[in-house]
Amino acid sequence: GDSVTQMEGPVTLSEEAFLTINCTYTATGYPSLFWYVQYPGEGLQLLLKATKADDKGSNKGFEATYRKETTSFHLEKGSVQVSDSAVYFCALSNFGNEKLTFGTGTRLTIIP
Amino acid sequence: GAGVSQSPSNKVTEKGKDVELRCDPISGHTALYWYRQRLGQGLEFLIYFQGNSAPDKSGLPSDRFSAERTGESVSTLTIQRTQQEDSAVYLCASSLVVGADQPQHFGDGTRLSIL
Repeated sequence: GDSVTQMEGPVTLSEEAFLTINCTYTATGYPSLFWYVQYPGEGLQLLLKATKADDKGSNKGFEATYRKETTSFHLEKGSVQVSDSAVYFCALSNFGNEKLTFGTGTRLTIIP
Repeated sequence: GAGVSQSPSNKVTEKGKDVELRCDPISGHTALYWYRQRLGQGLEFLIYFQGNSAPDKSGLPSDRFSAERTGESVSTLTIQRTQQEDSAVYLCASSLVVGADQPQHFGDGTRLSIL
């Protein structure tokens, strides 16, 4: 079945550091890929998505590129801020099986 | 309302009791999903509804779990004879339609604690 493997956390970085959170997936066909974020005390919200190979999703300075050859969707940001501290979830959805399959989440803490 | 609404936000109950969790999806969203998030783990799919089609119940962990949805509105998730391993945050999400490329919009969840 479909699965998502995500970088283990927690991750602690200094403000303005470069961020990468790795995500790889196993799925048949051509799934859509998502990053969701959960800020402290808030609900889960969509950060970005990509629906086909080589697509780049971007939002709030975050980017992720759908790499079918490496089955990856790594999340990157060039300069993180304290306000980016949150738990990040990589997820996929597949045609004919449209529920979201999530990774285990990565807790990110940014230190001023 | 503007978003997915879930109630109650917190529920504490004794082992063996039944609980009912409610979800109000975004108006006009035909697809509704339930997930469970146990402490320190990712989200597990439970069930989803699409319009008047038969629901996909493939994620329900046991026959103690059931869910209903009336048309394209409110859904209730019922857990009978609760066990301690049912303690989790139960999340509801909705999307405009079912589709692999459709983003799901999540409620804030119901935190269920079984004593």
